[in-house]
Amino acid sequence: DAGVIQSPRHEVTEMGQEVTLRCKPISGHNSLFWYRQTMMRGLELLIYFNNNVPIDDSGMPEDRFSAKMPNASFSTLKIQPSEPRDSAVYFCASSWDSRNTIYFGEGSWLTVV
Amino acid sequence: AQKITQTQPGMFVQEKEAVTLDCTYDTSDPSYGLFWYKQPSSGEMIFLIYQGSYDQQNATEGRYSLNFQKARKSANLVISASQLGDSAMYFCAMREGGNYGQNFVFGPGTRLSVLP
Repeated sequence: DAGVIQSPRHEVTEMGQEVTLRCKPISGHNSLFWYRQTMMRGLELLIYFNNNVPIDDSGMPEDRFSAKMPNASFSTLKIQPSEPRDSAVYFCASSWDSRNTIYFGEGSWLTVV
Repeated sequence: AQKITQTQPGMFVQEKEAVTLDCTYDTSDPSYGLFWYKQPSSGEMIFLIYQGSYDQQNATEGRYSLNFQKARKSANLVISASQLGDSAMYFCAMREGGNYGQNFVFGPGTRLSVLP
């Protein structure tokens, strides 16, 4: 079975550029989560969706960040414009409502220079 | 307020010995789940074990067991017979119940080093 698929795995971009991170959840899962991990702040929940609807985006740092889930099999996290402090590993995870465990993708390692 | 507390930033254990990683949590919801994840140096997040708030018995998965003390709001992970491959970051997490959407929060993690 395919797990959560994230792309790109690694991205290096210049400050001010737009970054789009992509996620394909596990088929059949109806909850999707975006996390950011840094040494300083650990794992932070940015936003989560249930049945494609954003439930809680209080973790989104600022207006430069936006997330969408146009259908059950795809989500994007966009940063525009990017800044060096956005450098982090961004994880997407998904779960099935009737089961509690969430499963993570391998992460997107973002470096903004 | 911190929902998940892991008071041990780092732990050392000798190979083949058992080790306990501490986790305490804070919730007023009667329905919740507690989880442990392992993050090796390669970076992926690996699910280890789950305990539901209504489960009567402590969860076990191979060498992993969860020491669940509900009244104390603690959910410690016990790893028996440590192996070198157990060296990693370990995160405790909680998912609180609800009818629509369930948040999922992580603690700061404990770095476990297994010594040969």
